[in-house]
Amino acid sequence: RKEVEQDPGPFNVPEGATVAFNCTYSNSASQSFFWYRQDCRKEPKLLMSVYSSGNEDGRFTAQLNRASQYISLLIRDSKLSDSATYLCVVSRYSTLTFGKGTMLLVSP
Amino acid sequence: DGGITQSPKYLFRKEGQNVTLSCEQNLNHDAMYWYRQDPGQGLRLIYYSQIVNDFQKGDIAEGYSVSREKKESFPLTVTSAQKNPTAFYLCASSAWTEINQPQHFGDGTRLSIL
Repeated sequence: RKEVEQDPGPFNVPEGATVAFNCTYSNSASQSFFWYRQDCRKEPKLLMSVYSSGNEDGRFTAQLNRASQYISLLIRDSKLSDSATYLCVVSRYSTLTFGKGTMLLVSP
Repeated sequence: DGGITQSPKYLFRKEGQNVTLSCEQNLNHDAMYWYRQDPGQGLRLIYYSQIVNDFQKGDIAEGYSVSREKKESFPLTVTSAQKNPTAFYLCASSAWTEINQPQHFGDGTRLSIL
């Protein structure tokens, strides 16, 4: 089983749609969890940390289920500018393990 | 303006040549990291350093070397022993004072073989 697994997509959605990405991780000792966004040929940028109680940042909601080793990201009211690859990232003792990413394409 | 600066943006390596990628940060972060990204792949950790004059191998350290003589700087040398160096190289840093801080990235160096 890969350490961090994501559906590569692409997810093609119209503007205004709600889209959800899932991610599973294999190491039950993982300590922290993040979603990063990566635009084509650019560096990853931190989108949000993921907390056990779930957390929201504007149109973005992240959830963590430690028992199932599962992380999710929900994007509401998709914008064209949300088109990017979303990386699920798991941390243990400050070394990060990256998923390969899920590509999102938002169309007019 | 605080951040992480990588240079050069593009680099070409000749056969048998060593090349060095620069990474400088002015965020006063303790920890610095080097990753490699291949097309369609996730980031893979090459080396990381938590304090000055100390560094550890990541998952794919063979053919690479690093130094950490200053807190602000963590250069990566791609040696001739690295037979497939063409990739996107990303440097990152994080505050080490608390564990599991997110990492912040420079804008990367694209390395190709001539």
